[in-house]
Amino acid sequence: AQSVAQPEDQVNVAEGNPLTVKCTYSVSGNPYLFWYVQYPNRGLQFLLKYITGDNLVKGSYGFEAEFNKSQTSFHLKKPSALVSDSALYFCAVFQGGATNKLIFGTGTLLAVQP
Amino acid sequence: SQTIHQWPATLVQPVGSPLSLECTVEGTSNPNLYWYRQAAGRGLQLLFYSVGIGQISSEVPQNLSASRPQDRQFILSSKKLLLSDSGFYLCAWTQGLHTDTQYFGPGTRLTVL
Repeated sequence: AQSVAQPEDQVNVAEGNPLTVKCTYSVSGNPYLFWYVQYPNRGLQFLLKYITGDNLVKGSYGFEAEFNKSQTSFHLKKPSALVSDSALYFCAVFQGGATNKLIFGTGTLLAVQP
Repeated sequence: SQTIHQWPATLVQPVGSPLSLECTVEGTSNPNLYWYRQAAGRGLQLLFYSVGIGQISSEVPQNLSASRPQDRQFILSSKKLLLSDSGFYLCAWTQGLHTDTQYFGPGTRLTVL
């Protein structure tokens, strides 16, 4: 069965420094991978996705993610963090077959200190 | 452009009372619709999804039910709420394939007392 893991409950970074939020996946076949962000008491906002093609995917708000097939990873990155980037980040993988659903990771809380 | 609405935004209900949460999508037709529950501010659990009017797939057996009376309307219901039903309920939609991006509504915060 498909799954995703976000190994860090929380990531702390200083404003202006680069940030990385980690995600690893386990799928049979080609993966369809997504990143979402959630601000307090809000719905999830789509950031970016990997379906096929270039391993470096660019998304909203200056975020990008690198698909690494050999390491089965899809880490989210940003060159320079902003305090306003502080939020909960979810990685997700599409599970096809009979269920046809997105499998979400447990989320990583990003805290950017000024 | 497409917009997804959920109401109410917040709800406080006593144990044993009924529930009805509504989700509507504008600007598209024949979307796939989803209900999720997020407990303790973290994990997302898929509850139901629908590929068309009257077509509901249930992911988790529980005292909740869903209905899709119109193409762009998705309703989550319960006859008798439990304490464990408290959480943040999110509706989402995709156009076409399930592999398409899911877009989420603003959510409903349900507290069962």
